[in-house]
Amino acid sequence: AQKITQTQPGMFVQEKEAVTLDCTYDTSDQSYGLFWYKQPSSGEMIFLIYQGSYDEQNATEGRYSLNFQKARKSANLVISASQLGDSAMYFCAMSSGSYIPTFGRGTSLIVHP
Amino acid sequence: EPEVTQTPSHQVTQMGQEVILRCVPISNHLYFYWYRQILGQKVEFLVSFYNNEISEKSEIFDDQFSVERPDGSNFTLKIRSTKLEDSAMYFCASRPRGQSTNEKLFFGSGTQLSVL
Repeated sequence: AQKITQTQPGMFVQEKEAVTLDCTYDTSDQSYGLFWYKQPSSGEMIFLIYQGSYDEQNATEGRYSLNFQKARKSANLVISASQLGDSAMYFCAMSSGSYIPTFGRGTSLIVHP
Repeated sequence: EPEVTQTPSHQVTQMGQEVILRCVPISNHLYFYWYRQILGQKVEFLVSFYNNEISEKSEIFDDQFSVERPDGSNFTLKIRSTKLEDSAMYFCASRPRGQSTNEKLFFGSGTQLSVL
């Protein structure tokens, strides 16, 4: 079975500051993928970034980076230089043996001006 | 980028009525999914569909739910007799092959179902 845990129900950050959203996971599979999605108030799910379990380098996509610590089973999302438009729900997800992505409960991020 | 299209964006129905939620996945994708999200809660897997049959389903996906791909492009979720607790956002998603851990899900914009 695979499990995703996001322990931060809500986070606040000042505009232009960096913020880290936590995600830990549990799986017995050696091969797995970790994803982050953004859900703005309009409701759609927007893919942000992917990290494979065998990737040696942390994934980066523009202002998004993934702090992947395999031994700790964590895959934290780092957003640099936060913008007001980053205010949204953020979901961590994992795909392992069954290939069906499982989602965490999400973290609500609010960016203050 | 190609998109998954869902209609309607909002659906209001009376308890006990049947609803059909529609999705058009990305044309060359092979695996299709329905997820739901009750307001403020996690995104929950309902069912996956491949080669015109259900490949996996969760315990949420009981006999009141069914899926089909009637014409090779549309992918529908039917709730036979809606209950108040079926009120949620329903997301359709697709993946190119679905047999890999590195494939992201392409989500539609969701259908907000309200059961009164």
